[in-house]
Amino acid sequence: EAGVAQSPRYKIIEKRQSVAFWCNPISGHATLYWYQQILGQGPKLLIQFQNNGVVDDSQLPKDRFSAERLKGVDSTLKIQPAKLEDSAVYLCASAGGTGDNQPQHFGDGTRLSIL
Amino acid sequence: QQQVKQSPQSLIVQKGGISIINCAYENTAFDYFPWYQQFPGKGPALLIAIRPDVSEKKEGRFTISFNKSAKQFSLHIMDSQPGDSATYFCAARLSGGYNKLIFGAGTRLAVHP
Repeated sequence: EAGVAQSPRYKIIEKRQSVAFWCNPISGHATLYWYQQILGQGPKLLIQFQNNGVVDDSQLPKDRFSAERLKGVDSTLKIQPAKLEDSAVYLCASAGGTGDNQPQHFGDGTRLSIL
Repeated sequence: QQQVKQSPQSLIVQKGGISIINCAYENTAFDYFPWYQQFPGKGPALLIAIRPDVSEKKEGRFTISFNKSAKQFSLHIMDSQPGDSATYFCAARLSGGYNKLIFGAGTRLAVHP
């Protein structure tokens, strides 16, 4: 099966600019996650969707970050305006469900550099 | 406390040796403990996982040991190979049905030939 697709792979912007990332999950996966992975740290969950509804966005900086999952398939994550501390890899993951036998499958991420 | 503490930060092992990575947690609401392997430029991939009612799980050269009373768990890689060189993350899932994972900070493993 095809894996989780993310684009772009790399993005360089200046602070205060806006940026958007795209994720296409594994076909049929109802659950979609966006993580932020700062260099030298583990992934931190930003937002979780179940189909097209948000089930957890407690760690999403809502003053600058937004995400949507229209039609319960693809998702976009946006940052506006970007800050220097947003430099990180943004990972998208999907899962077929929430059971032990339905692990999260990760994409290869988008590496964001803020100048 | 929703935190998973992982050690060591980095590890160098000779080919054929045993790699051991440790994790500890405080929150008793965690109900599932996966380990992920991440190569440079790639996303994390599930390696092996365990539930807290099991003390040990082995898959090939990879073994998880789990100590529920101490709230600690560890990954053992037997007969370590240069291809095992990667960053390893332990994680813990919050019970409640939404499969929310809390990750440790990671261990960078280098296996020297």
